[in-house]
Amino acid sequence: GDSVTQMEGPVTLSEEACLTINCTYTATGYPSLFWYVQYPGEGLQLLLKATKADDKGSNKGFEATYRKETTSFHLEKGSVQVSDSAVYFCAVLIAGGTSYGKLTFGQGTILTVHP
Amino acid sequence: EAQVTQNPRYLITVTGKKLTVTCSQNMNHEYMSWYRQDPGLGLRQIYYSMNVEVTDKGDVPEGYKVSRKEKRNFPLILESPSPNQTSLYFCATRGQGAFGYGYTFGSGTRLTVV
Repeated sequence: GDSVTQMEGPVTLSEEACLTINCTYTATGYPSLFWYVQYPGEGLQLLLKATKADDKGSNKGFEATYRKETTSFHLEKGSVQVSDSAVYFCAVLIAGGTSYGKLTFGQGTILTVHP
Repeated sequence: EAQVTQNPRYLITVTGKKLTVTCSQNMNHEYMSWYRQDPGLGLRQIYYSMNVEVTDKGDVPEGYKVSRKEKRNFPLILESPSPNQTSLYFCATRGQGAFGYGYTFGSGTRLTVV
């Protein structure tokens, strides 16, 4: 079945450090790829997305590129802030097959940024 | 404003006492879904509904029921809750065929079963 694997956390960084959270997926069909963010005590917000190979999603200084050849969608930010502390989820949505329209999540990566 | 509204936000209950978590959306979407979030496991789909009166099991349906009598509402029912259903629950919706937009989520319901 479809699955998403994220790098294990938690990740702890100092402010202004570079961030990479790895995400790889297995999926049949033609997935759309997403990163969601969950700030402490809140629900899930869409951070960025990409719907086809080589697309780059970006938002709030975060970026991720849809790499079909490596089935990856790594999240990157050049300079993190304390306010970026949150849980980050990678997810895939399949447009066809037995997982039609289902959003499948990775296990989540906790990011803590210290001043 | 497009919204998915869940109630209650927090709930503590005892084992075996039936409860319902409500979910309502104002986007006129046909597809709705319930997820549970547990540490280290991410979010897992419990049930989903492609349209009114059409529901189907997700990955972890045991111990849950749902109903879809009208398009906007999709309640999650725990007939006899057990402590292993202590979790954070999210309702979500997406537009028909709108696979490139992902889902819109409610604010979550934190359930504790003692």
